[in-house]
Amino acid sequence: SQELEQSPQSLIVQEGKNLTINCTSSKTLYGLYWYKQKYGEGLIFLMMLQKGGEEKSHEKITAKLDEKKQQSSLHITASQPSHAGIYLCVVRGTSYGKLTFGQGTILTVHP
Amino acid sequence: SQTIHQWPATLVQPVGSPLSLECTVEGTSNPNLYWYRQAAGRGLQLLFYSVGIGQISSEVPQNLSASRPQDRQFILSSKKLLLSDSGFYLCAWSVQGGMSGNTIYFGEGSWLTVV
Repeated sequence: SQELEQSPQSLIVQEGKNLTINCTSSKTLYGLYWYKQKYGEGLIFLMMLQKGGEEKSHEKITAKLDEKKQQSSLHITASQPSHAGIYLCVVRGTSYGKLTFGQGTILTVHP
Repeated sequence: SQTIHQWPATLVQPVGSPLSLECTVEGTSNPNLYWYRQAAGRGLQLLFYSVGIGQISSEVPQNLSASRPQDRQFILSSKKLLLSDSGFYLCAWSVQGGMSGNTIYFGEGSWLTVV
């Protein structure tokens, strides 16, 4: 089965700093999702990457998919306290609704 | 735009009592609907999925059940809760059709504590 490993597991940054979260897969990545979860809340969809080399941006968050490295990265520019939460990389399985999750990266942004 | 809502947000129930969590989707028709459970420190476990009214597939044997009485309504139930049913439950939806490539959108979640 496919496994996803995220790094770092936790990150504390000062407001305004840039940061990167990585997600490495044990198998070839054919597509990957990034979600954000705040404690006690649902998962918020950030973006989906479907092709090797694909890069997407939304506001100050950019995600890239490196198919050859079986890796995806999430980069936040000029972090804000509102970016704090748990970031999860997720891949879909071949069955309906089956999801494989990374263990998550806890991001804390100090004002 | 599409939205998904589930309720209640938090629930404290005694062992052996019944459960009903409700989820509705707006702004789309004939979605795939899902119920997931997130145990502490773990990823989401798929409990049920539905591709249409009255069509429910179960992924994990347990004392929970799901129903889809209407196209955009998905209900998670139990006749008698167990302590192990405690957790964070998430309803989700995706566009009908292919299994991969369609984004899954999640509700706000429901915290269930069985005491």
